[in-house]
Amino acid sequence: EVQLLESGGGLVQPGGSLRLSCAASGFTFSSYAMSWVRQAPGKGLEWVSAISGSGGSTYYADSVKGRFTISRDNSKNTLYLQMNSLRAEDTAVYYCAKDPTLPRIAAAGTNRFDYWGQGTLVTVSS
Amino acid sequence: DIQLTQSPSFLSASVGDRVTITCRASQGISSYLAWYQQKPGKAPKLLIYAASTLQSGVPSRFSGSGSGTEFTLTISSLQPEDFATYYCQQLNSYLMYTFGQGTKLEIK
Repeated sequence: EVQLLESGGGLVQPGGSLRLSCAASGFTFSSYAMSWVRQAPGKGLEWVSAISGSGGSTYYADSVKGRFTISRDNSKNTLYLQMNSLRAEDTAVYYCAKDPTLPRIAAAGTNRFDYWGQGTLVTVSS
Repeated sequence: DIQLTQSPSFLSASVGDRVTITCRASQGISSYLAWYQQKPGKAPKLLIYAASTLQSGVPSRFSGSGSGTEFTLTISSLQPEDFATYYCQQLNSYLMYTFGQGTKLEIK
C-alpha cells in the first residue's frame, strides 16, 4: 500500500525557516517524480515544487523560487522541502504528492498526482 | 504561463442530478488534463487523467472529455458522497503544474 506521511509543520515567525519531510512507503521511491502542493486556508491548490526521481532536476513555482529548496534522499525514501525567508502568505497545508508518469519531469500528457499525503500545516505568524 | 479557468466556481445540485464542470485552458494543451475531488480536511483524490482516463477505483459515474482548450468533468448521477470541491490540473511546457481555481459542488 502506498503511503506518504508528511511532518515538520508548525508555527514560525516571518523570516524564519522550516523543513518539511515526507516519508514514502509501498512503492519504489526513486522511480517517481515527487511534488509539494500547498493549500492556504479556505483557498485552492497551489503547486510549489517538483523533483525528478533521481533528484537531479528540480522545479519551483515563481512564488517560492529562491526561498524554498526541494530535495530527496532515495536511500531513506524521504522527500524534503526546506523553506527559508517565510512569509505570512506561505501559511498553508503542505501536501507531498507522487506523479506516476515518469521518473523525470516531462509533459507526457498523463501527468497527475495519484497519491497524496495527509498534509502538514505551516503557519507563518508573529 | 497557461491558466486554467473552471466554471462554475459554485454549483448547487441534488442527488441524482447530472452535473458538468468545465475547465478552460488559456492555450491548447492537447489532452494533458487531470481532475481531482477534495473533501473538507482531506487530501485531493485523483479522478481522471489524460482528460478522459478514469483512475482505478473511481466510480464509472465520473467521466471526462475534451481536448485543446476546453475540458469537462461529468458526474452522471450525483451521489451524497460526491458533494466536494473539484479541481482540474495540468503540467505545462515549462514543467510547472497548474491547478484550476476549483468548483465547489453543494447540495441543493
